[in-house]
Amino acid sequence: NAGVTQTPKFRVLKTGQSMTLLCAQDMNHEYMYWYRQDPGMGLRLIHYSVGEGTTAKGEVPDGYNVSRLKKQNFLLGLESAAPSQTSVYFCASSYGGAGNNEQFFGPGTRLTVL
Amino acid sequence: GENVEQHPSTLSVQEGDSAVIKCTYSDSASNYFPWYKQELGKRPQLIIDIRSNVGEKKDQRIAVTLNKTAKHFSLHITETQPEDSAVYFCAASIQGGSYIPTFGRGTSLIVHP
Repeated sequence: NAGVTQTPKFRVLKTGQSMTLLCAQDMNHEYMYWYRQDPGMGLRLIHYSVGEGTTAKGEVPDGYNVSRLKKQNFLLGLESAAPSQTSVYFCASSYGGAGNNEQFFGPGTRLTVL
Repeated sequence: GENVEQHPSTLSVQEGDSAVIKCTYSDSASNYFPWYKQELGKRPQLIIDIRSNVGEKKDQRIAVTLNKTAKHFSLHITETQPEDSAVYFCAASIQGGSYIPTFGRGTSLIVHP
């Protein structure tokens, strides 16, 4: 049982390049989330999904796109990277609904945009 | 939407002292309040949570209290140890329906040996 995994762990991009971050969970969770973490700003929600085939915008969605084609995977895309997107990105999942709402986080992806 | 304020942003204590971190929330419909601990370079992990039908919950050296009237909740750590040093995040959400938590900005707790 791997929990929540993220790939890659580190990445350096040049301004204007694109990339996709992959999040995978093996807990059969309905809800998945992408956050970015910047010093002093806490965890800010980028996009989230409440089930396979669904996505919704969070607090800071501009410059990012997501897809949830399979229940276990949640992809975060940057179409044209900007230095302001330099951050640590965390994926999380949870059961959702009225039950246990504990969020399980992945190990994070450290992204630097030059 | 929900707004969560967390204080202090940094807290420095001596080993063995108690530490208290406070959060306030704005949406009176929020009914689930988790606390996450993030050690340096690691992922956040749930350490304790409380639902709005109780006022206090304890788990060994940590406890959380909730005041629904005042819309604030607090994390209490007693007999602090160096391994308690981490960033702590509070969050608030509405359990049931669309569960999307709003996080505070975090408190960096430093426990000096």
